[in-house]
Amino acid sequence: DARVTQTPRDKVTEMGQEVTMRCQPILGHNTVFWYRQTMMQGLELLAYFRNRAPLDDSGMPKDRFSAEMPDATLATLKIQPSEPRDSAVYFCASGLFRGPYGYTFGSGTRLTVV
Amino acid sequence: DQQVKQNSPSLSVQEGRISILNCDYTNSMFDYFLWYKKYPAEGPTFLISISSIKDKNEDGRFTVFLNKSAKHLSLHIVPSQPGDSAVYFCAASAGSSGDKLTFGTGTRLAVRP
Repeated sequence: DARVTQTPRDKVTEMGQEVTMRCQPILGHNTVFWYRQTMMQGLELLAYFRNRAPLDDSGMPKDRFSAEMPDATLATLKIQPSEPRDSAVYFCASGLFRGPYGYTFGSGTRLTVV
Repeated sequence: DQQVKQNSPSLSVQEGRISILNCDYTNSMFDYFLWYKKYPAEGPTFLISISSIKDKNEDGRFTVFLNKSAKHLSLHIVPSQPGDSAVYFCAASAGSSGDKLTFGTGTRLAVRP
């Protein structure tokens, strides 16, 4: 069963520290999304890529967040410096553009900034 | 600006009965819709999708209906089972704007034995 793998599963960090979250999309998928889930906002889109090219990162606070796909097997989301309001669950999802099976989500990274 | 709305935060249904989850959207450019189910501490799981060229799509116990004129879609689960208890999200995308997925805020379904 193909999976989207996210690491770390949980991360506790101090305010001001850099945080890097990693995602291994399913091999062959050409679209990768980063979402953040908070109690108040539901699932917010942060950034997404198609064929490794960034299509939209308008949902990210540009001064502190960055998303990249250095190769087809890795997507990264970095926060520098982190703030307590960044505490949330961050999900990565991958899929084929309008494929019949939707987009597959990873299990998420639970980030706590203290 | 919430372009995809799920106005019922929760729904409770008896096992064996039909569950109907609703979703409204405002962006007329949306042409592809998906439903996801989410259990606690897990990522959302894809359930079913529908293109705007259709008004119905069925997969086992799950059927999605799309009413484009009303900008409304619904997910029917028949019969409902206790294992269906989860949070359900609808999502929409527009091919004309890169196909990014916009999610609703979710509806928590509880199926009572």
